[in-house]
Amino acid sequence: KQEVTQIPAALSVPEGENLVLNCSFTDSAIYNLQWFRQDPGKGLTSLLLIQSSQREQTSGRLNASLDKSSGRSTLYIAASQPGDSATYLCAVLNEKLTFGTGTRLTIIP
Amino acid sequence: EAGVTQFPSHSVIEKGQTVTLRCDPISGHDNLYWYRRVMGKEIKFLLHFVKESKQDESGMPNNRFLAERTGGTYSTLKVQPAELEDSGVYFCASSPLTGLDTEAFFGQGTRLTVV
Repeated sequence: KQEVTQIPAALSVPEGENLVLNCSFTDSAIYNLQWFRQDPGKGLTSLLLIQSSQREQTSGRLNASLDKSSGRSTLYIAASQPGDSATYLCAVLNEKLTFGTGTRLTIIP
Repeated sequence: EAGVTQFPSHSVIEKGQTVTLRCDPISGHDNLYWYRRVMGKEIKFLLHFVKESKQDESGMPNNRFLAERTGGTYSTLKVQPAELEDSGVYFCASSPLTGLDTEAFFGQGTRLTVV
């Protein structure tokens, strides 16, 4: 059974700092990994999708890496802004998408 | 192109009542998924449709939950009778049937509160 863990559960950093969110999964036989963002009371917004054959994906200030063999992914956010405050979720796909519990990020102005 | 649409966005019902949630996937997406997030827990898989067929319903919590996808288009998730522990946010997602390594697109979710 796939299990996905995200560390830390919550993180507060001053505006402008770079930060890293971590995701680990137990079954490395995945097809892809997605990072999502969820704002309070809102749905899930897909940020980045990394295929199993890829090592990283970049979108603007976001960079996600994937080390499938070790069951790890990181989401790097550069030059953080208050608008980045949200809950960040990673999800891995084998037979179905399995989500982590998320990291609640707060950027302090 | 319209995204995944869910309604209602919020529903408050009394214990014992029935509620039906609806999901309209992105047009042409054969895969449709239902997920649920209860307070303080991770988002959990409920079931997966491929077109109108249930591919995997291993996540359905009990027989008070019934999902349908008649005609392979929109899907409904009925809870009857609702219990307090059913409160949470119900998400729907869809993806194309072009292989397993495709991106899932999520709706905004339906927040269900059972009182």
